[in-house]
Amino acid sequence: EVQLVESGGGLVQPGRSLKLSCLASGFTFSNYGMNWIRQAPGKGLEWVASISSSSSYIYYADTVKGRFTISRDNAKNTLYLQMTSLRSEDTALYYCARDYGNVMDAWGQGASVTVSS
Amino acid sequence: DIQLTQSPSSMSASLGDRVSLTCQSSQGIGNYLSWYQHKPGKPPKPMIYYATNLADGVPSRFSGSRSGSDYSLTISSLESEDTAIYYCLQYDEYPWTFGGGTKLELK
Repeated sequence: EVQLVESGGGLVQPGRSLKLSCLASGFTFSNYGMNWIRQAPGKGLEWVASISSSSSYIYYADTVKGRFTISRDNAKNTLYLQMTSLRSEDTALYYCARDYGNVMDAWGQGASVTVSS
Repeated sequence: DIQLTQSPSSMSASLGDRVSLTCQSSQGIGNYLSWYQHKPGKPPKPMIYYATNLADGVPSRFSGSRSGSDYSLTISSLESEDTAIYYCLQYDEYPWTFGGGTKLELK
């Protein structure tokens, strides 16, 4: 069974950093691109970042470019999102999702990030 | 960036109704559009990919279509479990963008 489990969320002060992890199981992690998507409270879905299977290609939303870093460790079956210079508008539920070519076919349950003083 | 405009933003319909949700793209994206169903407390679920293809496990009452830059998700006969927010997503080019969503409720 394909599973994605996010961790690392929590309450953080503005300007500080936080690192999310997404542990994958049930499939060959190194064969798939991966994504981070977030949903702020009361808002819609927002794509955050994508990384190819070998980390050769990485893309970011303009809202996080220069502050967030997506990475992966295929030996550990884990996807990461390093978030720095956090702002209140980064408060959201962060999902990791597997890229199955034309569709994000598997999603985690999400990690909650709250940026507040 | 490519903008996706979903309409309506919300709607209510009765059980058994035929329902169509629309997503309009600000520029050409070919068929690189997918639809996701999102219910409270759960992660989004893929429904349609490449504009017209049904994702695994999705009931056949759901279908996707395209007319130019307009994309539609249709439910042929609404069931209670279909109440959710539906989002379209374009993956033709980065940055990927979601539409604002359509909230579908039962009348």
